[in-house]
Parts: sequence; C-alpha cells; structure tokens
Amino acid sequence: GENVEQHPSTLSVQEGDSAVIKCTYSDSASNYFPWYKQELGKGPQLIIDIRSNVGEKKDQRIAVTLNKTAKHFSLHITETQPEDSAVYFCAASIGSGGFKTIFGAGTRLFVKA
Amino acid sequence: EAGVAQSPRYKIIEKRQSVAFWCNPISGHATLYWYQQILGQGPKLLIQFQNNGVVDDSQLPKDRFSAERLKGVDSTLKIQPAKLEDSAVYLCASSTTSGGTETQYFGPGTRLLVL
Repeated sequence: GENVEQHPSTLSVQEGDSAVIKCTYSDSASNYFPWYKQELGKGPQLIIDIRSNVGEKKDQRIAVTLNKTAKHFSLHITETQPEDSAVYFCAASIGSGGFKTIFGAGTRLFVKA
Repeated sequence: EAGVAQSPRYKIIEKRQSVAFWCNPISGHATLYWYQQILGQGPKLLIQFQNNGVVDDSQLPKDRFSAERLKGVDSTLKIQPAKLEDSAVYLCASSTTSGGTETQYFGPGTRLLVL
C-alpha cells in the first residue's frame, strides 16, 4: 500500500543548533505535504506545508524542501529552542483537502538547553 | 475561535465491550476526519466526511467500526465489539479552505484502553 517513511525516529540537538527531519513518500499522486507538531496530550498542529509545484518554503525558523522527482521532502528547524521539543510528523495527501492523507511514524525531537 | 472538541478524553473498557466517541468540529468546517493513533505511530485516517457524506472510509474496519455525521456537524465513532488492538488515541480533525489550502485542525483526542 501507499507509505510515508520518516527518519530519524529520535533526534537530540543542543539549543541553537539546527534539526533536519526527512520523509519519503510512495504515492506519485501525492501533491500536498504538511508537517505537524504534536505535544504531549494534544492533537497534532500544522506548522508548515508545501505543495508539489513549489520546491521550498520558509516561515521564520522553519523551512520545508520538496524533491518531487525523488519523492523526498524535509523539515529544517534552525536556531532550535527548548520549546521546539515535541514529536513531528510529516504527511502526504492528494490535493490540499486532506484526501488520502498518510502520516509518517513521527520524529521525537529533544532540544537540550 | 473554539477548537475541535472531543469527548470523553479517556476511556477504559474490556474487550468485546462497545464504546463511542464524540466530536464537535470547528463551526463552519465542512470536512471532518477521524484518525487512529497507536502509541509511537503517526495518525492513520479511518474516515473522512464532507458535510454528512462519506468521502473516504477505505481504512475503516467496517466489521466493528462505524461512524456517522448527522446534519453535517457533530460526529460519533463507535467500536463494537472492541479488541485489545483498538487501544489507541482517536483523533478528530476538521478543515476549511482558505486561499486554496485546506488546513486540518485536530482535537485533543480520546485515549482508549482496551483490557
């Protein structure tokens, strides 16, 4: 079946360093790629997204890149802060309406002060 | 703006019992989703509604799971009978379209433990 692989499963960085999380998707029809942050006891919250007609998108300390040919997309967090510690999920869907949304397994990010 | 509301927040049942979860989406959101999130995994889509019609229920175990969204607003997800492997967090999300992009807003989830 369709799949989204996410790496690493755990990532520990020092405050101020950068963090990179990578995902690979299998469904070539996927054209919308959101990233979510999930804190303990809460539902996932959208932090940034990218469509297939764009190669890169940036929002302050967060950026996402997409290589549609290779079916890879990545999340980059610069100048990490302790409050960035959470579980991050990538996802892929068909259209921007969430159709056939498939999530990665998640990356637990620890930012050490 | 109030977020997606879910109840109950926690539920403990024995296997073979029945359980129901309730979701109240953000006002005006036409699309509603139910996800199952097993510990240590990403959410898995169970069913997607557009107003009160089903858009996608291909991953819903229909022999034991059912969901409805009467009047296109609130939704309930039911499990009957429950199995041990149904232990998970059940997330409800709703979405609306803005600027050509549809953003999903998630509720806090209902944590189910089946003993």
